[in-house]
Amino acid sequence: DTGVSQDPRHKITKRGQNVTFRCDPISEHNRLYWYRQTLGQGPEFLTYFQNEAQLEKSRLLSDRFSAERPKGSFSTLEIQRTEQGDSAMYLCASSFRTSYNEQFFGPGTRLTVL
Amino acid sequence: SQQGEEDPQALSIQEGENATMNCSYKTSINNLQWYRQNSGRGLVHLILIRSNEREKHSGRLRVTLDTSKKSSSLLITASRAADTASYFCATSNPGANNLFFGTGTRLTVIP
Repeated sequence: DTGVSQDPRHKITKRGQNVTFRCDPISEHNRLYWYRQTLGQGPEFLTYFQNEAQLEKSRLLSDRFSAERPKGSFSTLEIQRTEQGDSAMYLCASSFRTSYNEQFFGPGTRLTVL
Repeated sequence: SQQGEEDPQALSIQEGENATMNCSYKTSINNLQWYRQNSGRGLVHLILIRSNEREKHSGRLRVTLDTSKKSSSLLITASRAADTASYFCATSNPGANNLFFGTGTRLTVIP
């Protein structure tokens, strides 16, 4: 068990560019979550997968955001036409279905949009 | 959206002292979880307490839950400089798959 990993750890981009982040969950976990955290705040939920199915998206996930988990293993989060307001830490978490929703987080990807 | 609030927002103590952080939430829960986050890093899961439990221990951590008051507390005993971090409570609510986080308590332990 190597824990949840995320790549890259840091991303700096110019406004209007597209960015993609990757998350590798704990191998036996079938649930995967994306959260966004801004400075001084707690994480806020973006979207949730069970296996390869995206079952829930929050209102925070605008049309410019898309997430996939094609084979029920790793997941990608893409932000198109980035805006300065997208600057945040993007956190991925995973859990096992029968685990009381005990979620384990990765180190996060810090996005800075200039 | 944030589910709850931690209190205090910031806490500074001397090494060896105990630290107590409180969390209040708004709706019914399945369980409540506490996480630690070092500056600029991901969240580390500390402890989960189910809605039918009142107290739980893990090492130097003690968590209480009062569902009638919709509140929880995290006690860290014999604090160490390495405990310096932000601490978040998060609730798992009936019918929801995600966790709802509070705004966190920033703990500083002075050596």
